[in-house]
Amino acid sequence: EAEVAQSPRYKITEKSQAVAFWCDPISGHATLYWYRQILGQGPELLVQFQDESVVDDSQLPKDRFSAERLKGVDSTLKIQPAELGDSAMYLCASSLAGVSYEQYFGPGTRLTVT
Amino acid sequence: AQSVTQPDIHITVSEGASLELRCNYSYGATPYLFWYVQSPGQGLQLLLKYFSGDTLVQGIKGFEAEFKRSQSSFNLRKPSVHWSDAAEYFCAVGDQAGTALIFGKGTTLSVSS
Repeated sequence: EAEVAQSPRYKITEKSQAVAFWCDPISGHATLYWYRQILGQGPELLVQFQDESVVDDSQLPKDRFSAERLKGVDSTLKIQPAELGDSAMYLCASSLAGVSYEQYFGPGTRLTVT
Repeated sequence: AQSVTQPDIHITVSEGASLELRCNYSYGATPYLFWYVQSPGQGLQLLLKYFSGDTLVQGIKGFEAEFKRSQSSFNLRKPSVHWSDAAEYFCAVGDQAGTALIFGKGTTLSVSS
């Protein structure tokens, strides 16, 4: 069964350092989402892509966060500089927009900022 | 504003007992509703979804949910809980295809023997 891949699974970084997360969606899924999940909360959208275009990045802290999906396949989410409050689980999801509304989630990257 | 409320933060159920997790939503358009389960340190797995039609939907692992438009609810049920069901459960709502989901804060399920 096809799955959404994410790496790394765990990342510990110091405050003010740069960090990057990678996501490879299920093959053929045009829509890709990055969610952030703070401990004890539900996931919240950071950015949504349709192919290589950003559809919604209204909740992305653009002063420190950036996201790209250059060829409309895999995606990278970057934080620079990292802050203590960025400690969270970063989840990537993908879906076949317009055909199936079901979103498939990857295992996530657990970020700890010290 | 669009929102999802899961009133119960933590529920403990005896193994073999029935389970109901509550979910209420506030959404302007016709909602698409989902229940996801998350084991510690893992991603989210879809249990079931409701788009239209029969208001009682069946999912994986023996779960079901009932959509009640008049109560703006989409409660998750299971007739007999197994120890392996211990996890965090999230209700989510969306509308047209492709939009991001709005999640509730989750309910942690503990199963006692």
